[in-house]
Amino acid sequence: EAQVTQNPRYLITVTGKKLTVTCSQNMNHEYMSWYRQDPGLGLRQIYYSMNVEVTDKGDVPEGYKVSRKEKRNFPLILESPSPNQTSLYFCASRAGVGRPDSNQPQHFGDGTRLSIL
Amino acid sequence: QKEVEQDPGPLSVPEGAIVSLNCTYSNSAFQYFMWYRQYSRKGPELLMYTYSSGNKEDGRFTAQVDKSSKYISLFIRDSQPSDSATYLCATRIAGGTSYGKLTFGQGTILTVHP
Repeated sequence: EAQVTQNPRYLITVTGKKLTVTCSQNMNHEYMSWYRQDPGLGLRQIYYSMNVEVTDKGDVPEGYKVSRKEKRNFPLILESPSPNQTSLYFCASRAGVGRPDSNQPQHFGDGTRLSIL
Repeated sequence: QKEVEQDPGPLSVPEGAIVSLNCTYSNSAFQYFMWYRQYSRKGPELLMYTYSSGNKEDGRFTAQVDKSSKYISLFIRDSQPSDSATYLCATRIAGGTSYGKLTFGQGTILTVHP
């Protein structure tokens, strides 16, 4: 089954304590991205990656880091979390340009709810 | 001004009603238009996916895109309680380095009551 898997699903932590949210996909997709969802604002892109070792900022990258060392994994790192990063986070993936399925829409994970106290 | 505007609702309708959900967008470069449905505690799942102007029908769902007025609509016929969810419109450009980025509306919360 095609899946985007995020862990953890829920996390409550304190300001300044580094955390990592993992994302893994089993569809051999080149493109992966992270979004955050906040009430009244919809989903906004944080970072994206077009392939291994290729990452770039989205609309709201401040306070976040990412890495793409393997094709299937795209972790989101909060080095020093702050309360304004309390949100619902989604990882998504899709096939890259040039693939037969490149026009297929993105697959989303089920989300990670982060609370930073 | 947001690039994609969507009435957040909430919208409450009786079972069997026709539901109309709408978005407007400002960027003429948007070429692909999507509607996602999101149930509580789940990720967005794709409902409808269209390219350029026109209508697309899938069962009880019809997506409409009018590029001249930059207007996107989703119609749900014979609505069911199982349609209760948040509906998100999304758009993206056709190419370039941001080809994968989706720009979302705020989402509309829909409740269909029996």
